[in-house]
Parts: sequence; C-alpha cells; structure tokens
Amino acid sequence: AQSVTQPDIHITVSEGASLELRCNYSYGATPYLFWYVQSPGQGLQLLLKYFSGDTLVQGIKGFEAEFKRSQSSFNLRKPSVHWSDAAEYFCAVAFNQAGTALIFGKGTTLSVSS
Amino acid sequence: KAGVTQTPRYLIKTRGQQVTLSCSPISGHRSVSWYQQTPGQGLQFLFEYFSETQRNKGNFPGRFSGRQFSNSRSEMNVSTLELGDSALYLCASSLATGPANTGELFFGEGSRLTVL
Repeated sequence: AQSVTQPDIHITVSEGASLELRCNYSYGATPYLFWYVQSPGQGLQLLLKYFSGDTLVQGIKGFEAEFKRSQSSFNLRKPSVHWSDAAEYFCAVAFNQAGTALIFGKGTTLSVSS
Repeated sequence: KAGVTQTPRYLIKTRGQQVTLSCSPISGHRSVSWYQQTPGQGLQFLFEYFSETQRNKGNFPGRFSGRQFSNSRSEMNVSTLELGDSALYLCASSLATGPANTGELFFGEGSRLTVL
C-alpha cells in the first residue's frame, strides 16, 4: 500500500541556519511527489512538486527538494531559514495519474528560533 | 482570481445529526477533492470528483458522501455524526487535465466541524 513517512514530528532551527525535512514514500510506480506548507489558520500551499525529469526541483520561497528513487526519499531543503518559514510541512504522494488524490505524511512542524 | 471557497467555516453538531459542507472551486477547475484533517490521523483523502463523477475514493465509511454539480461546485455530506468526525475538512480544486494543468491542488481554508 502507498504511504508517506515524515520521521520528524517537530524540528527547531535557528534563523539563518539550513533546513532539511525528511520524507520517505512507499509507492509501486513512478511517484508524483509534493511538498505543501500550512501556516496557522491558513490553507495548504504547494511548495514544489516532482513528476519526472530532473531529480532536483526548485520551489517557491527558496525551497528545493531532491528525489532519490534508490532511497524512496524526497527531502525538502532550504539553505537559510527565515522566521516566516515557521509552519507545518507536509510531504505527499499522488496515487492517481492526474495528481489530484494525495496521500499525505503526518507532517513536520518547523519552529524558528532567533 | 477568487480562490477556493468553503462554507460554512465553523459549525457545531451533535452526535447522530448530519452535516453538509460546500466547496466552490476556482473558476475553470473541474476537479474537486476533499480531505479530513485531524491531530491524530493527519490529512486523509476522502474522495475526488471530476466532471460530476466520483473518480477516486479514500478509505472512509459510507456515512461520508459527496457530489459535484455541473458548475463544478461540490458538497460533502456526513450522516449519523460521531465524535470522531470532529475535524477540519479541506476542499481542493485543480484543473486536473489539459495543457494548463500544473498538477497543483489549490486548497480552501476548510470547514471546522465539532461534534458534541
């Protein structure tokens, strides 16, 4: 069965430090992978997605993610975190070709310290 | 361009009642999907509608149902409410097809249901 695991429930990073959020997936075919962010009181916003091609994908707000098929991973990175990045981050895999039916991980809450 | 609109934003029901939630997608989007978000289970896929047809369904009991109208607006219904149905219900819309499709889901702010 398809699944997404985000091993870290909560991460605290100092402002200006680098960030890596981990995501592992289980999916039989070529996955469509996503990272979404949810700020308090707001809906989910797409940060980036991987469908095919270059395994290093760039997203909004300076985020990037790397798809590693051999490790079934799609980790999210940012070189320098800003206080406004504090939010909950969700990794997801689509189980339909249109990419509209998603299985989400449980999320990682990011806190940013000054 | 207006975003995804969900109504009502908040509602309180008692066990055994039923509830209907509404979602208006972004203009031109033909796919509407629904998700339940709870602290314990996280975000779980309920179902997806495309051109008035249910295209995908998650692992929820039959008490959860939905429909989509010809203008792409969608409703979901939960009958015989249980305490465990308390959650944030999120709707998302997508083009889902055609050359302009980016594969992105656009989410509404959700309807927060409390069951007492």
